[in-house]
Order: sequence, then C-alpha cells, then structure tokens
Amino acid sequence: QSALAQSASVSGSLGQSISISCGGSITDIGAFGYVSWYQQHPGRAPKLIIYEVSHRPPGVPDRFSGSRSGTTASLTISALQPEDEADYYCSSYTTRSTQVFGGGTALTV
Amino acid sequence: QVQLVESGGGVVQPGGSLRLSCVASGFTFSSYGIHWVRQAPGKGLEWLGVISYDGSNKYLGGSMGGRLTLSRDNSKNTVYIDMYSLRPEDTAFYYCAKDPYNGRQGGWRFDSWGRGTLVTVSS
Repeated sequence: QSALAQSASVSGSLGQSISISCGGSITDIGAFGYVSWYQQHPGRAPKLIIYEVSHRPPGVPDRFSGSRSGTTASLTISALQPEDEADYYCSSYTTRSTQVFGGGTALTV
Repeated sequence: QVQLVESGGGVVQPGGSLRLSCVASGFTFSSYGIHWVRQAPGKGLEWLGVISYDGSNKYLGGSMGGRLTLSRDNSKNTVYIDMYSLRPEDTAFYYCAKDPYNGRQGGWRFDSWGRGTLVTVSS
C-alpha cells in the first residue's frame, strides 16, 4: 500500500490560515470516511487532532478543521499560532484492512 | 489518564530478533485494540499492525511481511510485538497506540500514543 501523498512543507504567518492536502485513492480516502490527522512536535509522539475526516477530539482547538473531496483530504489550520509549528500526518483506513499514512508535512510558522 | 509505555528497544544485529512490550494503564485495557507504528529517524510514520481487544484478530501492514507477530496478555495490560530477521532499514522508533474501539473492525485511529522505544539494527 503506497503512502498517501502530502507536500513536504508549508509555511504561514501568525494569524494566517494554511491548508495541507492529502492525496489518496479509491481504495483508501475515497472508499471510507476514516481519515485522521496527527500533529507531531520534534522529539514527541504524534497527537490525534482530527478523526473521521472532520471531527475534533476534546481539547483540540476549533482552529483545526478537516474535510474530504473524492480521494483527497485536507487539514486547515486557521489563525496560526507559534505552537502550531510541527509535522502533520494524514492517515486512512484502506480496503485491504490496513492503515496507511501520508509522508508528512512540515509546517513553519 | 491513559498511559502507554514501550520498552525493549536497543541495538540488535542484522538478522536478529527482538520483542518489544507496551504496558498500558489508565483505561480498561482488555476492551481496546492496540496498534504499532514505527518512525525511522527523520522520516514519516508507518503503520505496522493492530491487535484486537482479545487478541483474536490481528491485521498487519505489508512493510515487514511475515517478520512480525503481535500478541497481548490482558492480565498484564501488555501488548507485544515480536520482530524477526531484522534489517538495518528496520531501525526506527516503535510506538504503540490505543484505538478508541476494540480493534476488530476498520475505521481505526490512534487516540493515545506511547513515547516510543528506539530499535537500532546494526552490526
């Protein structure tokens, strides 16, 4: 199962909004509404920030939002804060009963 | 609070085997699926597999082929990953992560993570 496609890096200024895309196929993102997003700061474990395409776990600011169109999922972060600088990974369940990650996107604020 | 603690990492020679453990606390361990995810230094995340709440279902990613086995001991709140025929490219941080459900069906996600344990495959 190939990794989902993410751009390597994105940057934005404080207070601005950015979006990170995650390209998949009809066997993963396009097949199910089971896309999740993870934030990882250097030297730390990943943290779940979005699940089932657009749902936020408790404690995740509403500045973080997710969406899906066809075989592409997107994470949008609005009103960028310094603490948002991190790596972001998308993930999806697949038709092969496996889980696949994107290659990760490094966000610079 | 939910806590997952991995152990068992270290240096192993190519071709060797290793068992990693993941000890959980802060939740009803026997009700939840547990995943293993690895991350090579400076690289992205890679899903290795999941074991269901009772150990009856196991799903594995393809990257390690048949070189890994998942098991769990609910009496010890522990999940294990046994890795065989290790290669230098298996060098990575290995994380265990909790699923919000029993792990038997799809729609997985990882709602809590351990801090990881580093496995280095080198002669």
